Amino acid sequence: DAKTTQPPSMDCAEGRAANLPCNHSTISGNEYVYWYRQIHSQGPQYIIHGLKNNETNEMASLIITEDRKSSTLILPHATLRDTAVYYCIVRPSNSNSGYALNFGKGTSLLVTP
Amino acid sequence: DADVTQTPRNRITKTGKRIMLECSQTKGHDRMYWYRQDPGLGLRLIYYSFDVKDINKGEISDGYSVSRQAQAKFSLSLESAIPNQTALYFCATEGDANEQFFGPGTRLTVL
Repeated sequence: DAKTTQPPSMDCAEGRAANLPCNHSTISGNEYVYWYRQIHSQGPQYIIHGLKNNETNEMASLIITEDRKSSTLILPHATLRDTAVYYCIVRPSNSNSGYALNFGKGTSLLVTP
Repeated sequence: DADVTQTPRNRITKTGKRIMLECSQTKGHDRMYWYRQDPGLGLRLIYYSFDVKDINKGEISDGYSVSRQAQAKFSLSLESAIPNQTALYFCATEGDANEQFFGPGTRLTVL
């Protein structure tokens, strides 16, 4: 599976957009980009995923570059409750084998008042 | 109501005791997972199940067992708890697009 690289930490002012980058330069054609977050000691939370087109849902938008080597998760109006560690994961979708999510270190996002 | 629930949320037990952690889901997913998380470390897979008749070992299954009683229920047992099993335990289900949905976790302390 492709490895990902994320900045260890970022800050964002409340109400502003938070843009979290992820590099996945070795991504394969059948691998999707997934984003999760974990608020301290809570269960990880699925946010969004995509293959090559930009995706949007009620939580966030995912922008994937045309060459698919990097992506950006956008929280359009960050709130204090968005303070969490955000994980970018690359994995095949529709896999027929069990897949253990390997979160790595992620990006610790601090949203400030 | 939460889609994936875990009981108990916190448990303190003694070395050698048998303990069961329970997970229930209302998402209708066939695939379910048990992970543990230790401070500063990522998730490690203990067991996973693709349906009621399917059980698979994960990376760290030694010392654990599971039971898939129904599509909605997946239990994790520690037959004889030891202190290094002190951790945060998460249950998860997996949807059709391989996205995983996690429960709130069980904080287990083995004295």
